[in-house]
Amino acid sequence: NAGVTQTPKFQVLKTGQSMTLQCAQDMNHEYMSWYRQDPGMGLRLIHYSVGAGITDQGEVPNGYNVSRSTTEDFPLRLLSAAPSQTSVYFCASSYFGGDRVIKQYFGPGTRLTVT
Amino acid sequence: GENVEQHPSTLSVQEGDSAVIKCTYSDSASNYFPWYKQELGKRPQLIIDIRSNVGEKKDQRIAVTLNKTAKHFSLHITETQPEDSAVYFCAASTRSSASKIIFGSGTRLSIRP
Repeated sequence: NAGVTQTPKFQVLKTGQSMTLQCAQDMNHEYMSWYRQDPGMGLRLIHYSVGAGITDQGEVPNGYNVSRSTTEDFPLRLLSAAPSQTSVYFCASSYFGGDRVIKQYFGPGTRLTVT
Repeated sequence: GENVEQHPSTLSVQEGDSAVIKCTYSDSASNYFPWYKQELGKRPQLIIDIRSNVGEKKDQRIAVTLNKTAKHFSLHITETQPEDSAVYFCAASTRSSASKIIFGSGTRLSIRP
């Protein structure tokens, strides 16, 4: 299993450009999430999904769109990049373990710089 | 919605001493509390977690305690070692929202030789 994969690893955008951060998991997990991590700060939830076709907003959804057409993929779209979106973006997938406890696994992250 | 506060933001302890990190949460429906460790430039990794029907859980040198009445939970690391240096995050979630896990702001733990 590759686990949770993210592409690209690094990206530089100009203000106003749009792009899609890719996230895929091969563990057949129902649940997936996107977080952003700013320097010296915690992880803030952008959007999350409880299954294919179902998404919802997290703590900081403005400026981002998501879709979940398959269990495996959960892309994050930046509509019109702004310098405030410079951050490291982590995708995560999770499932209920045998003891009904949530187990969450993170991807390696995408470092995005908006100039 | 859920809000998780974490203290302290930085913590420096002598190697071999204990470290304690504390978190509070706001949503009384939260019933799952994981802790993550993040080394520099790496992804967060789950190190231990606790459910709301359990007051304490231990895994070797790491333990977590939960006080549901007061809505706070803590991470205890005993006999600290240099490899414990990292940023630690607490988080909270409900079973009905397995992908909506809200994180605290993190604690940077440094172990002094």
